[in-house]
Amino acid sequence: SQQGEEDPQALSIQEGENATMNCSYKTSINNLQWYRQNSGRGLVHLILIRSNEREKHSGRLRVTLDTSKKSSSLLITASRAADTASYFCATSQAGTALIFGKGTTLSVSS
Amino acid sequence: GAVVSQHPSRVICKSGTSVKIECRSLDFQATTMFWYRQFPKQSLMLMATSNEGSKATYEQGVEKDKFLINHASLTLSTLTVTSAHPEDSSFYICSARDQRRDNTEAFFGQGTRLTVV
Repeated sequence: SQQGEEDPQALSIQEGENATMNCSYKTSINNLQWYRQNSGRGLVHLILIRSNEREKHSGRLRVTLDTSKKSSSLLITASRAADTASYFCATSQAGTALIFGKGTTLSVSS
Repeated sequence: GAVVSQHPSRVICKSGTSVKIECRSLDFQATTMFWYRQFPKQSLMLMATSNEGSKATYEQGVEKDKFLINHASLTLSTLTVTSAHPEDSSFYICSARDQRRDNTEAFFGQGTRLTVV
């Protein structure tokens, strides 16, 4: 089963621009996490935001969470070619598996 | 940080044979591990929840007799794809949580790319 829907499905930008990806989910959550996956590779954990948090920063990443709208956004500022990857949001309740959204494919051209 | 090791990273097998994939939590105990499958250009789909010392819980549509899960210890879960067919070719990835640290990130193995020929 899939919990979340990301949009856009694909995003193409130039180096230096900001990239914003959105994620919506359906049920109540304990936390929401964002992951990056380079083509054919494993997952890289980016950031976790708990249900009682509204915003979190990590380097060039900024994540927001709106539990009333059941949505989250991931902002990557000053993007680089190396940011080219697929990005997934994933949600979980206490002790349960992460359920992934469909993902956004980001392409950053130099 | 906690590490989950998955082996092998890549395997090619003949149709009809079985393949075993191992998932180990290296520096923490995991009573529960999770197995996912990812087809090309798609997201990760949860296949089953592996419970130490008891039967796995499978998601709807996943054949438990085809995807055998064994979680014999607190640090090891195995997924065996039995009588593999080309349609089973996929990227399989496991995940584990440090049970002492709820509400924290889940740790993922490196994934196993299975190709059935």
